[in-house]
Amino acid sequence: ETGVTQSPTHLIKTRGQQVTLRCSSQSGHNTVSWYQQALGQGPQFIFQYYREEENGRGNFPPRFSGLQFPNYSSELNVNALELDDSALYLCASSKSSGNTIYFGEGSWLTVV
Amino acid sequence: AQSVSQHNHHVILSEAASLELGCNYSYGGTVNLFWYVQYPGQHLQLLLKYFSGDPLVKGIKGFEAEFIKSKFSFNLRKPSVQWSDTAEYFCAVNAGGNTGKLIFGQGTTLQVKP
Repeated sequence: ETGVTQSPTHLIKTRGQQVTLRCSSQSGHNTVSWYQQALGQGPQFIFQYYREEENGRGNFPPRFSGLQFPNYSSELNVNALELDDSALYLCASSKSSGNTIYFGEGSWLTVV
Repeated sequence: AQSVSQHNHHVILSEAASLELGCNYSYGGTVNLFWYVQYPGQHLQLLLKYFSGDPLVKGIKGFEAEFIKSKFSFNLRKPSVQWSDTAEYFCAVNAGGNTGKLIFGQGTTLQVKP
């Protein structure tokens, strides 16, 4: 167990809807990052949050947004869902001073 | 742009065979390098990491990797695989000092036959 927990584990949404995914980071970790892993692919970096602000973003459109809370937990929000958004969404946490990232088990999103 | 390339997409081995998975990255500066494993239905698990120092690093479950700076490579090895090593293996690079941003390769599926 990595201490990174995500919810929900599975969900199905309809194209055009909005979804919120949640993540609790490992104790003592103040940096949270989100990744999208499509079937058969490696994870792709979406963005990172540190001290409640976005601190680095990958090649994802603005309809992918996030929040980090004072307790370092985080949310990933995706608006106007598209079929290609179907993927495993991974949350990862790390210490700002460290370089090892620990992943949660992910949330499987299916868009129909 | 930074990128990571894993040469083998699908590897099939018999138990006790030796394993080497290739990984090359493109980035000219200082990098941190990682190998992660993803067992079926489980989360990404860190196998080993290289930050600095001895370029030969040892990880969990008998895995090791060698960083060759001149070749921009970080190949994963194991002398004798077991059936339980069947999994997806990902090489990743952390560059530019952004702690949370990893660039992953596309992964290698390892299937070990008993």
